[in-house]
Amino acid sequence: DSGVTQTPKHLITATGQRVTLRCSPRSGDLSVYWYQQSLDQGLQFLIQYYNGEERAKGNILERFSAQQFPDLHSELNLSSLELGDSALYFCASSGSGDNTGELFFGEGSRLTVL
Amino acid sequence: GQQVMQIPQYQHVQEGEDFTTYCNSSTTLSNIQWYKQRPGGHPVFLIQLVKSGEVKKQKRLTFQFGEAKKNSSLHITATQTTDVGTYFCAAVTGKLIFGQGTTLQVKP
Repeated sequence: DSGVTQTPKHLITATGQRVTLRCSPRSGDLSVYWYQQSLDQGLQFLIQYYNGEERAKGNILERFSAQQFPDLHSELNLSSLELGDSALYFCASSGSGDNTGELFFGEGSRLTVL
Repeated sequence: GQQVMQIPQYQHVQEGEDFTTYCNSSTTLSNIQWYKQRPGGHPVFLIQLVKSGEVKKQKRLTFQFGEAKKNSSLHITATQTTDVGTYFCAAVTGKLIFGQGTTLQVKP
C-alpha cells in the first residue's frame, strides 16, 4: 500500500461525456502528479501540482484540466471524451516539489470510453 | 520537448540469464530514477541516481548513471521469475519524464 488513494478504480462512459478522477496523496506529501498509461504504452506525464500550485505541465490536452485543493487532494477532469482517452490514469505523490524524491503511485483509475 | 528513449521495448530471457535495459536522454539530466511495474500493478520506485558515473547495487540489480548524465542502465544478474514486469527509467529535467519502459518476460 503506497498510501496514495485514487477513485474510482474503474469507470466506463460514453464519448462526449465528462469525468472526474480523484486522488488523495500520502499524508504530508505536497506534490501530486498525474500520468496517463495507454495499453502497452509508457507513462505520459500530464501535470504536476505542488502545494496547490501548478508546478509543471506535460502533454495535457486542452480538454483535460486538473487542480489541487487546500487539503492537497487533486482532481483530474476529462471532458468531451474520445475513444482514444481510454487509459489507466495514475496519480502519484511526493514530498518534494523539485522531482528529487521518489514518487508513490496509486493503484490507478481505469477509464473506458465506449 | 524532453525525450527519454528506453531500449529494448521487450526482452524474453530464460531464468538464470542476465538482463539489461538502457535509458538515453538528449539532454543532461539532474538525476534519474528507476521504477518497476508488475503486470496489473502500479509503478514502484527502485532507486535514484544523482552523481555522474554513479553505480548502485540492490542485490542482483545494478544501476549506472553515465558520466555525461545523459544515459543510464539497469542490469539484472541471473533473472528469476519474480523479476517479471516493466522497468521504467524516469528522467528529471524540471519535469519527471518516463521512458517507454522495457517489459521483461522470464521463462522458468
